[in-house]
Amino acid sequence: QVQLVQSGSELKKPGASVKVSCKASGYTFTTYNLDWVRQAPGQGLEWMGWINTHNGNPTYAQGLTGRFVFSLDTSVNTAYLEISSLRAEDTAIYYCARNIGEKCSGSSCRFGYYFHIDVWGKGTTVTVSS
Amino acid sequence: DIQMTQSPSTLSASVGDRVTITCRASQSISRWLAWYQQKPGKAPNLLLYRASSLESGVPSRFSGSGSGTEFTLTISSLQPDDFATYYCQQYNDYPYTFGQGTKLEIK
Repeated sequence: QVQLVQSGSELKKPGASVKVSCKASGYTFTTYNLDWVRQAPGQGLEWMGWINTHNGNPTYAQGLTGRFVFSLDTSVNTAYLEISSLRAEDTAIYYCARNIGEKCSGSSCRFGYYFHIDVWGKGTTVTVSS
Repeated sequence: DIQMTQSPSTLSASVGDRVTITCRASQSISRWLAWYQQKPGKAPNLLLYRASSLESGVPSRFSGSGSGTEFTLTISSLQPDDFATYYCQQYNDYPYTFGQGTKLEIK
């Protein structure tokens, strides 16, 4: 079955870096793109952006600083989220999630496809504390 | 950015009740809206996409409607497993944005 298996919890000091992994199985990795979503403690969901698994091109939500980097290793069907110069406010659960395209037909369509998340990883808790 | 506003933020209901959660977009998103259910300590789970299309495996007591800027999620007869937090998300345009969530509690 389709699975996204994320790496384990991390405890980091401010200023350090962390790299979260997301290994896909049960489908052809490069056929579906991956989103990253975070959830601060007790808060709602925040979409961070996505990575094109075919060409590795990332798209970041505006406001997401250069401290966040999405990357891939297609040889092992794995996506990565790296966060540098960690701050206390980066403490959150980070989810990777597969997105699936819906074809849009007709003159009202701005895009040919629209993408929603259909499968989520279990999340990786990153805690930043001195 | 498109702002998504859910109401209510918290909803108390009983098993067997029919409940409706509303999600409003700050501008038209056509029907590019998904609903997710999240239980404590778990990842979200897709319920509906394109406003009203039921994801495979999701019980038929869940339904969605709406287009443009106003959408609803309805649970026709609440089951004990349905007490959770529900989020809407628009995927009409980047950045994809979520509503703040609606916590469905047992009355």
